[in-house]
Amino acid sequence: DVKVTQSSRYLVKRTGEKVFLECVQDMDHENMFWYRQDPGLGLRLIYFSYDVKMKEKGDIPEGYSVSREKKERFSLILESASTNQTSMYLCASSFDEPYEQYFGPGTRLTVT
Amino acid sequence: GDSVTQMEGPVTLSEEAFLTINCTYTATGYPSLFWYVQYPGEGLQLLLKATKADDKGSNKGFEATYRKETTSFHLEKGSVQVSDSAVYFCALTGYNNNDMRFGAGTRLTVKP
Repeated sequence: DVKVTQSSRYLVKRTGEKVFLECVQDMDHENMFWYRQDPGLGLRLIYFSYDVKMKEKGDIPEGYSVSREKKERFSLILESASTNQTSMYLCASSFDEPYEQYFGPGTRLTVT
Repeated sequence: GDSVTQMEGPVTLSEEAFLTINCTYTATGYPSLFWYVQYPGEGLQLLLKATKADDKGSNKGFEATYRKETTSFHLEKGSVQVSDSAVYFCALTGYNNNDMRFGAGTRLTVKP
């Protein structure tokens, strides 16, 4: 079974803090993704990576950065957390083909 | 750009009722279509998929048929169970298969 793990299930941070969310997959997938999930908006892509050290902006990259130093690990960084970044963050990974994505359990981040 | 529209919820059904969740898409070319399910407190799991017109995806009693003429991929199940209570997401990958587009999600509650 594909396993995608995220470093925390719940996280509470203060405004202005730097926040790191980590994601690890064990299936040697080329592609990794970070989404945020908000009620009524579905999933919105923040960033994705198709190879080590490669990254592409998604629909809502502002206020976020990413790092992929190893194939199995993809980190999402909030440089200076703000209250509007309170959300559920989902990591996913996939092969190039087939394209279905496998998701981690999510991190619910609250910024106060 | 490519997009997915699915019926708004919430949907509440009695056990053993018939389920339909509508999903239509807009895409250039020939997308692959997916249904994901999210159980409470978990990440998304792939439920079924179809990669070309007239394909039928099926899993766990759920079915969906890729209808190019109506640009639809409606999810159906003949007899729902309480354990099917979850949020269901329709999704597609289009020209750039790393770019998966999700609907807003439909919350299903099944009552005994």
